[in-house]
Amino acid sequence: KAGVTQTPRYLIKTRGQQVTLSCSPISGHRSVSWYQQTPGQGLQFLFEYFSETQRNKGNFPGRFSGRQFSNSRSEMNVSTLELGDSALYLCASSLASGQGVAETQYFGPGTRLLVL
Amino acid sequence: LAKTTQPISMDSYEGQEVNITCSHNNIATNDYITWYQQFPSQGPRFIIQGYKTKVTNEVASLFIPADRKSSTLSLPRVSLSDTAVYYCLVGGSLSGGYQKVTFGTGTKLQVIP
Repeated sequence: KAGVTQTPRYLIKTRGQQVTLSCSPISGHRSVSWYQQTPGQGLQFLFEYFSETQRNKGNFPGRFSGRQFSNSRSEMNVSTLELGDSALYLCASSLASGQGVAETQYFGPGTRLLVL
Repeated sequence: LAKTTQPISMDSYEGQEVNITCSHNNIATNDYITWYQQFPSQGPRFIIQGYKTKVTNEVASLFIPADRKSSTLSLPRVSLSDTAVYYCLVGGSLSGGYQKVTFGTGTKLQVIP
């Protein structure tokens, strides 16, 4: 079974631009979560989507948004980029079986974003 | 959300057993304990998960005492390829919903030849 894929793998943007990152979850997985990872802040939860609805959201400004499509693929958008948005953006998918057990997350390789 | 505390870093020689302890004093009844491994510039990878007592798989063991306020990840006979950051997470699903999890700072394990 193919793993979580993220595109693009690397991206260079300038301040003020916007960017869209894509994530394809493992087949059959219905939940997709996004994380930002920086050396200073570590891994921080951005948001989680399930059945095309944002189910949870972390403490990030409104410039960070996302969506999920009917095939569970997800996109994340960052508008008006700032230097501090430079980070590794990770997507993770889980089965979301709804059986009350902590869901194992399967992470993609990430998209490395550099804002100049 | 339960807060986790782990040592920032650890060193170990190849072939030794490594034990990484995570403290989670305010763990909730329905919370599970999960450990992930992350190599540089890669996404975290699931290692093991447990609720109580001991869980063992092909790569690690997880020891959870009766009060569940801490847990210990045990890596038998580490090799250089085990050099990575190890994260402990505490959380679970409530009524089928997904409870957002918080990754702690993790423990950077350096295996020395």
